[in-house]
Amino acid sequence: QSALTQPRSVSGSPGQSVTISCTGTSSDVGGYNYVSWYQQHPGKAPKLMIYDVSKRPSGVPDRFSGSKSGNTASLTISGLQAEDEADYYCCSYAGSYTLFGGGTKLTVL
Amino acid sequence: QVQLVESGGGVVQPGGSLRLSCAASGFTFSSYGMHWVRQAPGKGLEWVAFIRYDGSNKYYADSVKGRFTISRDNSKNTLYLQMNSLRAEDTAVYYCAKDLKTVAVHAFDIWGQGTMVTVSS
Repeated sequence: QSALTQPRSVSGSPGQSVTISCTGTSSDVGGYNYVSWYQQHPGKAPKLMIYDVSKRPSGVPDRFSGSKSGNTASLTISGLQAEDEADYYCCSYAGSYTLFGGGTKLTVL
Repeated sequence: QVQLVESGGGVVQPGGSLRLSCAASGFTFSSYGMHWVRQAPGKGLEWVAFIRYDGSNKYYADSVKGRFTISRDNSKNTLYLQMNSLRAEDTAVYYCAKDLKTVAVHAFDIWGQGTMVTVSS
């Protein structure tokens, strides 16, 4: 049960787009369409942003989108806003367990 | 409104035990799988355990298997995590989380506020 691999940090200016990758294996990310993404602000509980690879829960802006190719999933945030600055975690079902990525800190410059 | 409220955290010595509870409200608790997720201080999220809506299936992370037990009481709308043989590396904020769908997809749409567990002598 090894954690999914995410970049430690990404950054972008307001209005720009950023993409966060999440790399796993054929036993997790590549094997199921159960990839989700979470946003976490300091001292707060995580918030679901994307589920089933690319679906957005109601209330999540359409600036957030998800995709997957092989064993790598991606979260793209377009039209960056100051409030998007947070930690982001990917998550994948893996059969009898669930894995999180190590987390990516997004800085809005 | 839809809500999860954890309780039971605290300070415990290595080798000790603790039982966490998670009270659910605002949704049909008995229809959804539930999870425990933890976050060590300054670290990332770690999935801990899952229990099916009816308690018939339970899954655990390797790091807690054999030491932690997840359970639920649907008559009380409450989720539990019994933690035994606690180690320093179990120190974390423990969140309970609801699965998004009745057919579990291991996506967590509702989270509690978290309860802190500190394992220290």
